[in-house]
Amino acid sequence: AQSVAQPEDQVNVAEGNPLTVKCTYSVSGNPYLFWYVQYPNRGLQFLLKYITGDNLVKGSYGFEAEFNKSQTSFHLKKPSALVSDSALYFCAVRDKSWRGNTGKLIFGQGTTLQVKP
Amino acid sequence: SQTIHQWPATLVQPVGSPLSLECTVEGTSNPNLYWYRQAAGRGLQLLFYSVGIGQISSEVPQNLSASRPQDRQFILSSKKLLLSDSGFYLCAWSRPDRSFQPQHFGDGTRLSIL
Repeated sequence: AQSVAQPEDQVNVAEGNPLTVKCTYSVSGNPYLFWYVQYPNRGLQFLLKYITGDNLVKGSYGFEAEFNKSQTSFHLKKPSALVSDSALYFCAVRDKSWRGNTGKLIFGQGTTLQVKP
Repeated sequence: SQTIHQWPATLVQPVGSPLSLECTVEGTSNPNLYWYRQAAGRGLQLLFYSVGIGQISSEVPQNLSASRPQDRQFILSSKKLLLSDSGFYLCAWSRPDRSFQPQHFGDGTRLSIL
């Protein structure tokens, strides 16, 4: 069965420090992976995706993610956290259980990032 | 550029009343469309998705239904709301021609059932 796991409900980091939000996946074949951010009372905003190619993917707002096939992980990173980065972060993988392109995604349960000044 | 609109932003309804939430997409044609529910600011539950007009797939049995009367319009409905229908409802779209395209979300409707 396909799945995505975000093992941490919350990550706390001081402003200016590097941050990592963890994600692991289980999917047959090559994964298509995504990160989203959600601010309070807003929809999800797309940050970045991994389809193929370089294992380090750069996205919006200075975020990047590292794809590691052997560890089946796709951790979100940022070299220097901002207070404004505080939000709920979701990892997702393309659902490949259906024929055709439904574009369905399987989402993790989300990780709350708290950046303290 | 493409945009997605959801309305209303907030809604308070009594138990047993009907529901209609609307979502429209602009700037693209034949999008894949999705309805999600998010409870308590946490995980997303996919409720319905549609790959074309009149084509609706339901992910979970429930008190809700969806319709797609036009290419870029997606409606979530209920004949009689239950307390358990409270939550944050999100609509999303994606391009149908590339399976690796992300979904793009609207700003949601906060539904409270009294």
